[in-house]
Amino acid sequence: GEDVEQSLFLSVREGDSSVINCTYTDSSSTYLYWYKQEPGAGLQLLTYIFSNMDMKQDQRLTVLLNKKDKHLSLRIADTQTGDSAIYFCAESQWDNYGQNFVFGPGTRLSVLP
Amino acid sequence: NAGVTQTPKFRILKIGQSMTLQCTQDMNHNYMYWYRQDPGMGLKLIYYSVGAGITDKGEVPNGYNVSRSTTEDFPLRLELAAPSQTSVYFCASSYSSRTGYSNQPQHFGDGTRLSIL
Repeated sequence: GEDVEQSLFLSVREGDSSVINCTYTDSSSTYLYWYKQEPGAGLQLLTYIFSNMDMKQDQRLTVLLNKKDKHLSLRIADTQTGDSAIYFCAESQWDNYGQNFVFGPGTRLSVLP
Repeated sequence: NAGVTQTPKFRILKIGQSMTLQCTQDMNHNYMYWYRQDPGMGLKLIYYSVGAGITDKGEVPNGYNVSRSTTEDFPLRLELAAPSQTSVYFCASSYSSRTGYSNQPQHFGDGTRLSIL
């Protein structure tokens, strides 16, 4: 069955790098996403990677995909207090009905001054 | 762009009351979804719709109903509110096409925080 796993908590010091990890089970996933949820808000799409890529960089964000191990990570360089939020990993696959999404439980990132 | 709009943002209900959570999107997305997020937990899919007139159950549909009479609107109804339905409810939408595997992420509303006392 489909399953997406993440560690639930991560604490880092301001200015350090944060690495949030995610594992998924469905090898047919086409896109993998990272969403950010700030307190009291909805989920905001942060970045995504197509399954035929192994890395994507976008300013302070680096996404690494190891398709063989079904492992996805999000690295945030120079982490700031404004990065404190819950980060959700999600995978999507296509079936006969369209695009199907599965979300992980979310990793709560706390940035300490 | 408004994106996905949910109303109300907050609501307190008494046990046994009913209410409808509204969701509308202006992106002409065919897929719409309702999730609930309990404190400290991830998202659980309640219902989803692949287009106007078509709805289907997700992981936790009991106690809820939906309808999809238009592409834009996807209301979620609670008929007999129970304390277990205290949660934050998120509506999302996406565009899915069978003609290709293009990137079509979900777009989320800001949520409705519902407390049942």
